[in-house]
Amino acid sequence: RKEVEQDPGPFNVPEGATVAFNCTYSNSASQSFFWYRQDCRKEPKLLMSVYSSGNEDGRFTAQLNRASQYISLLIRDSKLSDSATYLCVVTSSGSGNTPLVFGKGTRLSVIA
Amino acid sequence: EAQVTQNPRYLITVTGKKLTVTCSQNMNHEYMSWYRQDPGLGLRQIYYSMNVEVTDKGDVPEGYKVSRKEKRNFPLILESPSPNQTSLYFCASSLSLAVTETQYFGPGTRLLVL
Repeated sequence: RKEVEQDPGPFNVPEGATVAFNCTYSNSASQSFFWYRQDCRKEPKLLMSVYSSGNEDGRFTAQLNRASQYISLLIRDSKLSDSATYLCVVTSSGSGNTPLVFGKGTRLSVIA
Repeated sequence: EAQVTQNPRYLITVTGKKLTVTCSQNMNHEYMSWYRQDPGLGLRQIYYSMNVEVTDKGDVPEGYKVSRKEKRNFPLILESPSPNQTSLYFCASSLSLAVTETQYFGPGTRLLVL
């Protein structure tokens, strides 16, 4: 099982739609979780951290389910500018693991 | 302005010709790392460094070398590049690997090895 798995998409949604991405991770010792956004041919940038209690930033909501080992990202009222690839990132611990593991990303296209 | 810089941004080279991609950060970060990104494979870590003179292999270190002689610089060295090292490379840094630390990425270096 891969360490971090995401549905690659693409998710094609109309403006104003609500869209949700999930990400599963295999290492139960993982300590912290993030969503990064990457625009085409650009570097990834932090979108939000994911806390155990869930957190919200404007139209974006992130949630963590440790028991099932998945995190989610919900985008409400999608904008054209939300079109990007969303990367799930997990920090790992223990010998033999690299500190940060990235998912392959989920591509979102918001259509007018 | 706080940033991570990489040079060059674009590079075309030939098999076997040694090259170095520089990475520099001006945020006094302890943790730095190199990734390569390939279609369908996502970001894969090549090497990382927890601090000066401390480097460790990531998931795909073969064919690469790094050094961390100063806190701000973390060059990536390809002693004998091969076509399978054609990729998009990102350098990243963070204050540490603490739970809340954000990774800051450089703008990327597109490498083509012929």
